[in-house]
Amino acid sequence: DGGITQSPKYLFRKEGQNVTLSCEQNLNHDAMYWYRQDPGQGLRLIYYSQIVNDFQKGDIAEGYSVSREKKESFPLTVTSAQKNPTAFYLCASMGPTRDPPYEQYFGPGTRLTVT
Amino acid sequence: AQSVTQLDSQVPVFEEAPVELRCNYSSSVSVYLFWYVQYPNQGLQLLLKYLSGSTLVKGINGFEAEFNKSQTSFHLRKPSVHISDTAEYFCAVRPMNTGFQKLVFGTGTRLLVSP
Repeated sequence: DGGITQSPKYLFRKEGQNVTLSCEQNLNHDAMYWYRQDPGQGLRLIYYSQIVNDFQKGDIAEGYSVSREKKESFPLTVTSAQKNPTAFYLCASMGPTRDPPYEQYFGPGTRLTVT
Repeated sequence: AQSVTQLDSQVPVFEEAPVELRCNYSSSVSVYLFWYVQYPNQGLQLLLKYLSGSTLVKGINGFEAEFNKSQTSFHLRKPSVHISDTAEYFCAVRPMNTGFQKLVFGTGTRLLVSP
């Protein structure tokens, strides 16, 4: 079955440590996305990538970094510069821009807790 | 630019009652419209989408939505809800026929179904 996997489901880190969240897709999608979700704030876009070796900042990129070395993989690093990193992180992907089905597909999410 | 407004942050309803979750959008170009559902600690799952044609679209789990271009709305409805429908619901739009690859999400509506 095609889909998006995120690991781990729950992640705990000490303040001041960098942490990398994994996102892998086998849908052969070019575009991939990282969102942050906090209670009552919906989804906020952190970074997105339209093609391998290219990515753009979203609305809240400060304190985060990404890489896109392979089409299937789009890891997100939460750095120590992120002031409030505790949140639920969602990865998504989307197929060809001008062809159906047009929607984004989401992974199951990673809940990061930093203490 | 596009924006999506979900006016109700929370909608309480009794089991077997009908429900409507409201979504209004703003866009200078035609858009595709989507409703997603998110169960606790999970990713987003597509409920239904409007791409073109009939303005009444049916989705999974007995949900349907009606696209109203003049009112720029895409309200989600279900004639009889179940306890298992308790979840967060997100409305989203994406411009048609462009290379734009981002979805614009509303802030979500939490549906609380009680016995």
